Amino acid sequence: DSGVTQTPKHLITATGQRVTLRCSPRSGDLSVYWYQQSLDQGLQFLIHYYNGEERAKGNILERFSAQQFPDLHSELNLSSLELGDSALYFCASSVAPSGSGFVVDTQYFGPGTRLTVL
Amino acid sequence: AQTVTQSQPEMSVQEAETVTLSCTYDTSESDYYLFWYKQPPSRQMILVIRQEAYKQQNATENRFSVNFQKAAKSFSLKISDSQLGDAAMYFCAYREWSNSGYALNFGKGTSLLVTP
Repeated sequence: DSGVTQTPKHLITATGQRVTLRCSPRSGDLSVYWYQQSLDQGLQFLIHYYNGEERAKGNILERFSAQQFPDLHSELNLSSLELGDSALYFCASSVAPSGSGFVVDTQYFGPGTRLTVL
Repeated sequence: AQTVTQSQPEMSVQEAETVTLSCTYDTSESDYYLFWYKQPPSRQMILVIRQEAYKQQNATENRFSVNFQKAAKSFSLKISDSQLGDAAMYFCAYREWSNSGYALNFGKGTSLLVTP
């Protein structure tokens, strides 16, 4: 158990719908990362939040958005869903980073949310 | 963006034997981190081992060790005394560094089969 929790475990929805995935980081971790794992694209970085602020964006579609709340949990919102959005969505957390310097930073992954779009 | 290549889609090893999984990466950075993650059938991503690029010494975690060749941009994982529980997908990852983020860049993975 990594200490990172994600809900729900499974989500089945229809095209055009909107869903919200939730992540609670490990106690004390300030950074939250979202990744998408699909058969054709592999594991791809979506977005990184640190202490409530967006720090980096990867291959995240405009239909997707995320936020990190004051209690440090994060939500990933997926809208206008398409069949190709079906994937396993991981959240990961780490202690750092905050700014300059090269900080040792290991990301610990949650169990993932399996999204199926029908 | 940095690329990570795992050239072996599948590998097989007998129980108690040793197997090496390959990973190469492309970067112009001098400071970075490399990771191996394991993904068993449960789909949980589990950290196996981490290597800091500035360290000459190869990282070791019990039966898992790496062969880090910085000049060759190679980062292979050696699993000794393989166990049935080692069967999983193994992903090599490079940690990008920029002023704003520390995303992991993953390879496509190697599926490891362990036979009795």
